[in-house]
Amino acid sequence: SAVISQKPSRDICQRGTSLTIQCQVDSQVTMMFWYRQQPGQSLTLIATANQGSEATYESGFVIDKFPISRPNLTFSTLTVSNMSPEDSSIYLCSVDPGQGARETQYFGPGTRLLVL
Amino acid sequence: GNSVTQMEGPVTLSEEAFLTINCTYTATGYPSLFWYVQYPGEGLQLLLKATKADDKGSNKGFEATYRKETTSFHLEKGSVQVSDSAVYFCALGFSGGYQKVTFGIGTKLQVIP
Repeated sequence: SAVISQKPSRDICQRGTSLTIQCQVDSQVTMMFWYRQQPGQSLTLIATANQGSEATYESGFVIDKFPISRPNLTFSTLTVSNMSPEDSSIYLCSVDPGQGARETQYFGPGTRLLVL
Repeated sequence: GNSVTQMEGPVTLSEEAFLTINCTYTATGYPSLFWYVQYPGEGLQLLLKATKADDKGSNKGFEATYRKETTSFHLEKGSVQVSDSAVYFCALGFSGGYQKVTFGIGTKLQVIP
């Protein structure tokens, strides 16, 4: 298993500003994922972040809006840039420890973002 | 592509009632199936999983059986408690170098005393 922490846990931001969310894992992992959970909806994968390479973004998400860093095997950041009220969501990071043939993902507690 | 369909909520039950949350999936290949739970104000936690057909996942009194013939993974619990009130997500994923998990929309369960 893996224990994941996120900072901040919640924030209220003004339109047009940017927020960087941090994700810390208690063990080294190759793959980290960033998800968005909009109010009343399921999780949508934003991007996959592997250490030492560029993040891979899903359809509908671009690097200019959601830049991601992955400086080492235990840490990643997601920035939500030039925010608008539509960016109000819960942002979750998760990891795939890759310990077995069909290992699952472990999630952080999420960052609750409200954009005014 | 892959998809997960689960029953719309909210589901409201009295304490000690029987719970079923339906989940069906569409996938190419042989996915692993998961149920995640999200308690109010928290992130997702893995509740149970099954990795191949006819496997039964179980945890905390919840169980679900991987049914390949009906492409289903329904969640059941014989007697729910108020503390089970949460949102439940059915999901599927694949092993390999890149495991992308596909989630259902989530079903909110409210258990009343």
